[in-house]
Amino acid sequence: DIQMTQSPSSLSASIGDRVTITCRASQIISSYLNWYQQKPGQAPKLLIYGASSLQRGVPSRFSGSGSGTDFTLTISSLQPEDFATYYCQQSYSTPRTFGPGTKVDIK
Amino acid sequence: EVQLVESGGGLVQPGGSLRLSCAASGFTFGEYAMHWVRQAPGKGLEWVSGIHWNGDNIGYADSVKGRFTISRDNAKNSLYLQMNSLRTEDTALYYCAKDFVRSGFDYWGQGTLVTVSS
Repeated sequence: DIQMTQSPSSLSASIGDRVTITCRASQIISSYLNWYQQKPGQAPKLLIYGASSLQRGVPSRFSGSGSGTDFTLTISSLQPEDFATYYCQQSYSTPRTFGPGTKVDIK
Repeated sequence: EVQLVESGGGLVQPGGSLRLSCAASGFTFGEYAMHWVRQAPGKGLEWVSGIHWNGDNIGYADSVKGRFTISRDNAKNSLYLQMNSLRTEDTALYYCAKDFVRSGFDYWGQGTLVTVSS
């Protein structure tokens, strides 16, 4: 099975900050990497698919990059509604494993 | 509008069984793979099982293999998860999710809570 790791596990940031979250796969997954945002009490929401494609309706301040084993989610200017937990997930093979999550909260 | 509505959760004793259902609408259900994802209280997301659009290709997490069975009825636009030999560690919110052609899960239900406790 492919293992996914994320760093950091949590971070504190201010409105307007640039935030970067890293995800690493235990083996090469090409660009089959997706990012989700989850707010308390809500279902996850797909932000980025295929490592860098922005899901319809997601603000352009979110971007993704990477291929192979190392990937990055960037929020260019953090907004109040972006405080949440972010998960990466590989869709290269079954099981479709998720990373452990990165919680972004207010500094 | 795409909607996924889970049902069937509840309180069950260890060793018991439950059958979860997910009613889908707003898209051509029979054209997409579907998945179950769970989230234990205060924990992260765990993929549980997935089923191809025609039911031919099925996968399970090691943690549920041999105990859970996924199925679907395309005529009824419904996805199911039969859960047997339940353990306390199966306690979680269970989400139904639509596959986005191997590009993640683009729609999720609100989840149904399964609590395994004596």
